[in-house]
Amino acid sequence: SYVLTQPPSVSVAPGKTASITCGGPNIGRNSVHWYRQRPGQAPVLVMFDDSDRPSGIPERISGSKSGNTATLTISRVEAGDEADYYCQVWHGLSDQVFGGGTKLTVL
Amino acid sequence: QGHLVESGGGLVKPGGSLRLSCAASGFVFSDHYMSWLRQVPGKGLEWLSYISTSATTRQAADSVKGRFIISRDNSENSLYLEMNSLSVEDTAVYYCARTIGTDSLAFDLWGPGTKVTVSS
Repeated sequence: SYVLTQPPSVSVAPGKTASITCGGPNIGRNSVHWYRQRPGQAPVLVMFDDSDRPSGIPERISGSKSGNTATLTISRVEAGDEADYYCQVWHGLSDQVFGGGTKLTVL
Repeated sequence: QGHLVESGGGLVKPGGSLRLSCAASGFVFSDHYMSWLRQVPGKGLEWLSYISTSATTRQAADSVKGRFIISRDNSENSLYLEMNSLSVEDTAVYYCARTIGTDSLAFDLWGPGTKVTVSS
């Protein structure tokens, strides 16, 4: 089965830049979507089709992809960015795949 | 922007059944694919099933295929998930989500979730 690999945790100081990676075989062929989930809340789509931002998501959040790795980058990190982040790929007609999630800690 | 609210969760015995509902508002429900997903507490996300705008196409993950049935009522702006032969492994928070995209589906609006506990 298709597996997306994310680092379990990333820590960053306020005002710095956080990069969360998502790796998978042939990920370059698939659109990657990203979700933010704050504690006790439902997930929120923060990036779709690799690098498109839904309305309401600030420009300091960006997405990119190179080779077998997609990256969600959060610039000028704020306390409110602390959350779990999940990547997701649509891999086949009946196979949506989520990464295991990355806990972003703001120091 | 839109709003989704799930209901119908609760405690059910192994082997039992449950029907979840999702009420949509603030957007044209009949224009969108819809999906159900779940999350075991403290764990990651799992997509379960999606349904097309007119319910002509439905897909389900292998983990629930044949046990969970998705349906919708566009006249009531509602989405449903019929869950049968439940096991303890189905204990999770269940979310409905508006589904976007063509070649690659994403979930751009989520409800707050409803908790399902399967236990004897």
